[in-house]
Amino acid sequence: DAGITQSPRHKVTETGTPVTLRCHQTENHRYMYWYRQDPGHGLRLIHYSYGVKDTDKGEVSDGYSVSRSKTEDFLLTLESATSSQTSVYFCAISGKGLGANQPQHFGDGTRLSIL
Amino acid sequence: AQTVTQSQPEMSVQEAETVTLSCTYDTSESDYYLFWYKQPPSRQMILVIRQEAYKQQNATENRFSVNFQKAAKSFSLKISDSQLGDAAMYFCAYTSSGDKLTFGTGTRLAVRP
Repeated sequence: DAGITQSPRHKVTETGTPVTLRCHQTENHRYMYWYRQDPGHGLRLIHYSYGVKDTDKGEVSDGYSVSRSKTEDFLLTLESATSSQTSVYFCAISGKGLGANQPQHFGDGTRLSIL
Repeated sequence: AQTVTQSQPEMSVQEAETVTLSCTYDTSESDYYLFWYKQPPSRQMILVIRQEAYKQQNATENRFSVNFQKAAKSFSLKISDSQLGDAAMYFCAYTSSGDKLTFGTGTRLAVRP
């Protein structure tokens, strides 16, 4: 299994509070991704990184920011959490851009509830 | 924008039988990659099978195979000899750039003993 650790695994917080989710990899892969999973929507890309300090927006980036100061860590921050951000968040990694040779491997997810 | 459609929210199969899950996609690209991921109740996302669009031969991984119809933009997953452990959500996914996956909404597969 790909070495991906997401923390925390579960979190409950209140509207308006800041939240940071962490993704840590031991594979030294270049690409890292954050997705959210909601019923009826599958997984949707929030942000991704193609190298240290290199990030870009995905399909549903509003309300989220990311940072990648070293290869192994990719942080997702909700500056002021809202109830619409209640979701399951997945981190994924891949070795390079072409999907077939280096498909994305996923962490175990973080269930985030915002009350 | 690329879209991926899974038109079967739920499917059911008898243990040891064969089931086919459907997926269609929309793209103007000629070179791309398609995937099926399995998500059991444990919530893990597990890569089941992948297909490169430039390859005409359908991918196969043990009991899992695909029927890739490029002209029809169809990518169905066939599970043979279904087992109880196959019960899960199955997601079809697409990428052309290689750096972003577009997922379908998933098909929940139940396996009857």
